[in-house]
Amino acid sequence: AQSVAQPEDQVNVAEGNPLTVKCTYSVSGNPYLFWYVQYPNRGLQFLLKYITGDNLVKGSYGFEAEFNKSQTSFHLKKPSALVSDSALYFCAVRVPYSSASKIIFGSGTRLSIRP
Amino acid sequence: GAVVSQHPSWVICKSGTSVKIECRSLDFQATTMFWYRQFPKQSLMLMATSNEGSKATYEQGVEKDKFLINHASLTLSTLTVTSAHPEDSSFYICSARADIYEQYFGPGTRLTVT
Repeated sequence: AQSVAQPEDQVNVAEGNPLTVKCTYSVSGNPYLFWYVQYPNRGLQFLLKYITGDNLVKGSYGFEAEFNKSQTSFHLKKPSALVSDSALYFCAVRVPYSSASKIIFGSGTRLSIRP
Repeated sequence: GAVVSQHPSWVICKSGTSVKIECRSLDFQATTMFWYRQFPKQSLMLMATSNEGSKATYEQGVEKDKFLINHASLTLSTLTVTSAHPEDSSFYICSARADIYEQYFGPGTRLTVT
């Protein structure tokens, strides 16, 4: 079965420090990988995606993620956290050209940045 | 960037009534739209996939007679919660696929059934 795991329910980081939000996946084929952010009572905002090519992808608000095929991971990173980065982050995967081709979401990680 | 809107953003209805939620892709055509449900502090659960002009495909465990989905045009999909009950109270999010890579999400609709 295809799945996405976000092993940490919550990540706490001091403002100005680097942050990492972990994501691993288990899918067949070559997946498309995504990160989304959700603020309270809002929909999901797209941060970045990996389709093919360079393993390090850069996205919105200074976030980046590194695709590691051997470890089947796609961790989200930011060199210097801001208080405004506090939100709920979802990793997601889609296997293209599958019969369903649905996005599968991880369980979400709540990121809390303290001043 | 592509924008997906939802209306209403929040709605309160009485138990037993029906409520309709609209999802529109504002600046692109979406052949496929998705409806998700999200419980507090939980991930998104896919309810159904709708393709323009055809019947929606529901995920296992989702009652198709309770959650009616209509994808009438390339820019509009509607979700109607029929005979709503308090356990239907949730945050409903729609999403529209612009191409094989991109999928955009609406701002969500908070439904409260009293």
